[in-house]
Amino acid sequence: AQSVTQLGSHVSVSEGALVLLRCNYSSSVPPYLFWYVQYPNQGLQLLLKYTSAATLVKGINGFEAEFKKSETSFHLTKPSAHMSDAAEYFCAVTMDTGRRALTFGSGTRLQVQP
Amino acid sequence: DTAVSQTPKYLVTQMGNDKSIKCEQNLGHDTMYWYKQDSKKFLKIMFSYNNKELIINETVPNRFSPKSPDKAHLNLHINSLELGDSAVYFCASSPYRTSGYEQYFGPGTRLTVT
Repeated sequence: AQSVTQLGSHVSVSEGALVLLRCNYSSSVPPYLFWYVQYPNQGLQLLLKYTSAATLVKGINGFEAEFKKSETSFHLTKPSAHMSDAAEYFCAVTMDTGRRALTFGSGTRLQVQP
Repeated sequence: DTAVSQTPKYLVTQMGNDKSIKCEQNLGHDTMYWYKQDSKKFLKIMFSYNNKELIINETVPNRFSPKSPDKAHLNLHINSLELGDSAVYFCASSPYRTSGYEQYFGPGTRLTVT
């Protein structure tokens, strides 16, 4: 079985500050991990993915995430927040079992203060 | 040149009615999915088709029936709509034979049952 826990349903940062969104996973086999972003009234856009290659993954819009097996974590970071980063962020996991369905975390709403 | 499209974007209907949501992808993917996002933004897999074959059918009421006429289309038909069916429904697609496993999402269909 697989699961994802996102710590913090709401995160508020000032523009220009570091963004840190936390994600911990549980998986019985090596996982594939993703971060998606959802802007209001829109679909989900893939930010980045971990597929057992490099543990530090760079994505779009300046975001990156680091896979830490010992901590079962895949936290999302961005050095400097921009107003346009305000959105809902979802961490998701799947495994190479043929099923391929994504299991999502509960989401973290990022608010960026001017 | 939209990758994954859904129609309609908004659907307002009364309890007891039957409605359909259509999904099309032009990415050449052979696996398609339906996810449900509830009012708390939680996303959960409903169905998955690979090459027109049903491979995932979660514990969804049998009032929901997916149909895949070809690899590029996955429609969702809902009979006897209930208030609890109100949600945003997302279609997604992914290539089956890939190391990435990432999924690409449509813009969503907001279903409101009154």
